[in-house]
Amino acid sequence: GIQVEQSPPDLILQEGANSTLRCNFSDSVNNLQWFHQNPWGQLINLFYIPSGTKQNGRLSATTVATERYSLLYISSSQTTDSGVYFCAVANSNSGYALNFGKGTSLLVTP
Amino acid sequence: SQTIHQWPATLVQPVGSPLSLECTVEGTSNPNLYWYRQAAGRGLQLLFYSVGIGQISSEVPQNLSASRPQDRQFILSSKKLLLSDSGFYLCAWSTGVNTEAFFGQGTRLTVV
Repeated sequence: GIQVEQSPPDLILQEGANSTLRCNFSDSVNNLQWFHQNPWGQLINLFYIPSGTKQNGRLSATTVATERYSLLYISSSQTTDSGVYFCAVANSNSGYALNFGKGTSLLVTP
Repeated sequence: SQTIHQWPATLVQPVGSPLSLECTVEGTSNPNLYWYRQAAGRGLQLLFYSVGIGQISSEVPQNLSASRPQDRQFILSSKKLLLSDSGFYLCAWSTGVNTEAFFGQGTRLTVV
C-alpha cells in the first residue's frame, strides 16, 4: 500500500507562533486529506487537497502531487489548535480507501 | 446534509464475548463505507471497506468481520473478542472514489 510519512512527529509551540507540518507519500494519489483529531478522538476534516493550494482562516495547505508531498501551515497558533494532525491519501491501488500517516502531535502552550 | 452516526461511544467487553458496532449514514445514497481502528500509537488502520450492499473488502486478516445489510448501514462484528481488539473504532463514508471522506465520532472499545 501507499506509505505515508508525517513530520515532525511531535511539536510544541507557544501561542501565536507559526508552524509547518509535512506529509510525504510513496505513490501517486487521487485523494489527499488533512484531519485534526480533537481530544475526544473525533476526526475533523481540514482540507481535501489532492493537488494545489487551499486556505481556510489561519490554516492553509499545499499539495505538490508530482513531488509526492503536502504541507499544512498553521499561522498564529492558538491553544485550541492542539491535537493530532493526520495526513491521509488514497489511490486506485488502495481501493480508494484512505491510508493514514502516524500523525503530528501538536501542543500549543499559552 | 449528510450525517454519520456511530454507536456506542464507549464499550467495555470481557474477553471471549461477541461484538457488534453499528454505523449509519443519512442524507446520501450508495455511499462507500469504511471501518478503521486506531490503536495506541496514533496510526489509523483500515479494516474493511464497502462500495455497495453485500460487498465487503477486508484489508487485514483478524478476529473481526463486517457486513452491510442495508445501503447506509455498516456493522463491525466479532464472535469472540481478544484483548488485542481493544482500540478506537471509526466508521467513515464517502460518495465514491476520489471524494472527501467523513468520519463518525468513534467507539472506544476496551476488552478486559
